[in-house]
Amino acid sequence: RKEVEQDPGPFNVPEGATVAFNCTYSNSASQSFFWYRQDCRKEPKLLMSVYSSGNEDGRFTAQLNRASQYISLLIRDSKLSDSATYLCVVNKASGTYKYIFGTGTRLKVLA
Amino acid sequence: NAGVTQTPKFRVLKTGQSMTLLCAQDMNHEYMYWYRQDPGMGLRLIHYSVGEGTTAKGEVPDGYNVSRLKKQNFLLGLESAAPSQTSVYFCASSYAGLGGVQETQYFGPGTRLLVL
Repeated sequence: RKEVEQDPGPFNVPEGATVAFNCTYSNSASQSFFWYRQDCRKEPKLLMSVYSSGNEDGRFTAQLNRASQYISLLIRDSKLSDSATYLCVVNKASGTYKYIFGTGTRLKVLA
Repeated sequence: NAGVTQTPKFRVLKTGQSMTLLCAQDMNHEYMYWYRQDPGMGLRLIHYSVGEGTTAKGEVPDGYNVSRLKKQNFLLGLESAAPSQTSVYFCASSYAGLGGVQETQYFGPGTRLLVL
């Protein structure tokens, strides 16, 4: 089993739709969780951190489920500019400097 | 404030040649990282550094060496390039949060390396 697993997609959704991605992780000791966005042939950029109680940033909502060891990202009112690959990132264990990146979920928002 | 920069942006090497990739950050971050990204594999950590003068191995360190002589620079060296090292290389940096919890990583624009 991969340490961090994501559905590669692509998720093709119309503008204005709501779309959700999940990411599962295998190490129950993981403490830090992030969603990064990566545009084609560009570097990853932080979209949002994921906090235990869940958090929201505009149209984006992130949730953490420690019992089932997954994190989720919900995008409401999708825009064409949301088209990208979304990377789930989990730290390998508490207090370490090593992060594990998922292979990413590709989103295409269609006009 | 340039953030994280990488040079070169693109390079073609022949098998057996050597090269050094340079990463520089101007955010005074303690931690720096080198990753490679291959199709279907996600980003994999090659080496990292938690401070000037210190380096450590990541998941895929074989065939690479690193140095961190200055806090702002992190060099990745390939002594004898192999076709398996064809990849996109990303450098990243971060500062340490409270309790040693890592904060956001900031990435450079990447170096595309082709080894023939």
